[in-house]
Amino acid sequence: AQSVTQLDSQVPVFEEAPVELRCNYSSSVSVYLFWYVQYPNQGLQLLLKYLSGSTLVKGINGFEAEFNKSQTSFHLRKPSVHISDTAEYFCAVSGGGADGLTFGKGTHLIIQP
Amino acid sequence: DSGVTQTPKHLITATGQRVTLRCSPRSGDLSVYWYQQSLDQGLQFLIQYYNGEERAKGNILERFSAQQFPDLHSELNLSSLELGDSALYFCASSASGGLQYFGPGTRLTVL
Repeated sequence: AQSVTQLDSQVPVFEEAPVELRCNYSSSVSVYLFWYVQYPNQGLQLLLKYLSGSTLVKGINGFEAEFNKSQTSFHLRKPSVHISDTAEYFCAVSGGGADGLTFGKGTHLIIQP
Repeated sequence: DSGVTQTPKHLITATGQRVTLRCSPRSGDLSVYWYQQSLDQGLQFLIQYYNGEERAKGNILERFSAQQFPDLHSELNLSSLELGDSALYFCASSASGGLQYFGPGTRLTVL
């Protein structure tokens, strides 16, 4: 069984400041890791993924994440946020193959002007 | 635009009724996944189909069922609806096991 913990339900940040959204997972098997973003009244859009290889993963809109196997973490970062980054961010894990995704409860990123 | 389409966008119905949600995967994707997003439970995996056959089951209620047709579109059937079934229902598709692309969702309101 897998689980995902997003430690912060809300993260307020000033515009142009850096941000880190935290994600920890637990799994008994090798995992694939994902971050999705959900803008208000919209579906889920893939930000980035870790399937294998380099532990530093770059995604869209200037976001990146680092896979840390020893700490079972996959934190999302952006060096400078914009008002348009206001959204709900979901971390997800999959064991691959036929598995559905297991999602965290989400982190609401609030950008303050 | 992910290439995954879902209809209808919104659905309002009454308790005890039955509804069908439809999903068309991206061209070439054989796998379809269904998820439920509610305030109480968050995003939960319901069920997966691959090329017409059920592949994996998550937290899907017995009142819910799904199928995938030869043209690869999928339907999620929800019956004996309860107030607590009000949620956003997402469909996702993938070509292989790892990367899932999500549709815009169907918002179900049960009154």
